[in-house]
Amino acid sequence: NAGVMQNPRHLVRRRGQEARLRCSPMKGHSHVYWYRQLPEEGLKFMVYLQKENIIDESGMPKERFSAEFPKEGPSILRIQQVVRGDSAAYFCASSPDRSTYEQYFGPGTRLTVT
Amino acid sequence: LAKTTQPISMDSYEGQEVNITCSHNNIATNDYITWYQQFPSQGPRFIIQGYKTKVTNEVASLFIPADRKSSTLSLPRVSLSDTAVYYCLVGVNSGGYQKVTFGTGTKLQVIP
Repeated sequence: NAGVMQNPRHLVRRRGQEARLRCSPMKGHSHVYWYRQLPEEGLKFMVYLQKENIIDESGMPKERFSAEFPKEGPSILRIQQVVRGDSAAYFCASSPDRSTYEQYFGPGTRLTVT
Repeated sequence: LAKTTQPISMDSYEGQEVNITCSHNNIATNDYITWYQQFPSQGPRFIIQGYKTKVTNEVASLFIPADRKSSTLSLPRVSLSDTAVYYCLVGVNSGGYQKVTFGTGTKLQVIP
């Protein structure tokens, strides 16, 4: 059973470009969470999605950030017009249901904005 | 939101038992306590979870006193490969799902 997959593992973007981060949850998992981690800091919750629904986006910046989890395909975290402050590691986690307290994390995508 | 407090860092020699304590004074009745481990450049990995008293698995033990305002993760006979950041999380039952909040964690350095 493959774990949570994220791609790309490393992404370099110039200021003003768009960044698209993909997350494929574990097989059988329909709940996806996105987190951001700045250097030497803990993970900050961004958004929680189920298939075709955004359940909680209270951690998402109001502008430039969006997330989706379509019926088919991976979950996508999209950052428009990236700025240097967006440079961070973005982790995706999945769980089989909404009540589980155990989330399975992917290896992360390291975004560098130049 | 139940806030957690844990030491920023700890050092330990190989072969010793390591105990990392986490304070969570505002824990709610339905909240569970969960510990994750994170190696550099990797995503966190679930270690153990508990509600009260003691839980043990093949990796660690978790001790939770009756008032549940703190918890202690115990790693028996650590090795160099246990060098990592350890996060204590207290789940928030928000709308029926598990919204977790990661603090800065405890950086454990195992010394040969």
